[in-house]
Amino acid sequence: DGGITQSPKYLFRKEGQNVTLSCEQNLNHDAMYWYRQDPGQGLRLIYYSQIVNDFQKGDIAEGYSVSREKKESFPLTVTSAQKNPTAFYLCASSTPGQGNQETQYFGPGTRLLVL
Amino acid sequence: AQTVTQSQPEMSVQEAETVTLSCTYDTSENNYYLFWYKQPPSRQMILVIRQEAYKQQNATENRFSVNFQKAAKSFSLKISDSQLGDTAMYFCAFIKYNFNKFYFGSGTKLNVKP
Repeated sequence: DGGITQSPKYLFRKEGQNVTLSCEQNLNHDAMYWYRQDPGQGLRLIYYSQIVNDFQKGDIAEGYSVSREKKESFPLTVTSAQKNPTAFYLCASSTPGQGNQETQYFGPGTRLLVL
Repeated sequence: AQTVTQSQPEMSVQEAETVTLSCTYDTSENNYYLFWYKQPPSRQMILVIRQEAYKQQNATENRFSVNFQKAAKSFSLKISDSQLGDTAMYFCAFIKYNFNKFYFGSGTKLNVKP
């Protein structure tokens, strides 16, 4: 079945440690996104990528990094520079500019906790 | 800049009744899309309904329908015959035509009571 997978479901980070969240899609979508969600709040855009080997900062990119080496994959690294990383992270994908493919489809999310 | 406002942080409705969630947005664009997403306790974001701004007809998906008022920049969601499984956070979202960035509202928490 086509869809978006995120792993792990739960991730624990120690102080000063970099951690990487995985996001894979088999929907053949061009664009992929990373959002952060804090308790009781909406989604904030961290990074997005329209095509392979290209990505742009969103509204809260500081302390995060991404890569887009393959169309199917868009991993997010939470670096030690991110001082408050505890949150729920959602990955999404879409194919903008193609009629009803404007819709973003989401993965199940990763919950990151700081030890 | 585009903004999306959901003015109802939390709402309750009795099972089988109808409830309407409000959303307003601000944009100078003429072509865009509007969405309602549902986030149940599992936290999976699920598309509920989608509306193209150029279409005057309001979108409908089974028990879910929208009231799209383009001039007023309003996009409310009506849930008919509410079910316990409708309990979730509901997010309104906006995207310009042929653009990548979504703008999300802060969400409305809906509780369906038995």
